[in-house]
Amino acid sequence: AQSVTQLDSHVSVSEGTPVLLRCNYSSSYSPSLFWYVQHPNKGLQLLLKYTSAATLVKGINGFEAEFKKSETSFHLTKPSAHMSDAAEYFCVVSALYSSASKIIFGSGTRLSIRP
Amino acid sequence: DADVTQTPRNRITKTGKRIMLECSQTKGHDRMYWYRQDPGLGLRLIYYSFDVKDINKGEISDGYSVSRQAQAKFSLSLESAIPNQTALYFCATSDFRQGLYTFGSGTRLTVV
Repeated sequence: AQSVTQLDSHVSVSEGTPVLLRCNYSSSYSPSLFWYVQHPNKGLQLLLKYTSAATLVKGINGFEAEFKKSETSFHLTKPSAHMSDAAEYFCVVSALYSSASKIIFGSGTRLSIRP
Repeated sequence: DADVTQTPRNRITKTGKRIMLECSQTKGHDRMYWYRQDPGLGLRLIYYSFDVKDINKGEISDGYSVSRQAQAKFSLSLESAIPNQTALYFCATSDFRQGLYTFGSGTRLTVV
């Protein structure tokens, strides 16, 4: 079985300060993990993915995430927030080679950026 | 052109009406999915299809049906719409080997 928990429903940071969006997962199989971003009234865009290669994954727009198996975490970070980062972020887990092979979404974290 | 196209983008319908949401893709992926998004609940899987002859229920399939007309087309129907089906609906496709999902832009459905 797979599940994903996003620990914060809302995060607010000042422009230029670091961003941390937290995600914990559980999976019976070797997981693939993803972060997606959804800007207001837009679809879902892939930020980055982890698929058992390097544990530190770099994505678009300066975001990165680190896979920590011992902590079952896949937190999303960015060194310096920009106003355009304001959006909703979803952590997603997938067990690629399971018979179901479908993805499970976290409940989302809304990121607000203060000027 | 978008890789995954959903129509309509927005729809308001009345309780009890039948409505169909359509999805087409140019990714060449065998796997297609329908999700609904509700505030604070993330995306939940309604139905998924691994090929034209394979249809599977997701976690919230009650009140919905689907049709996989071709590899590239996967439609979602609400036989008798009810207000709690008001949501944002996403179609997605996936490549089994790379595990990458491509989402459509969504259909915002309001049932009044």
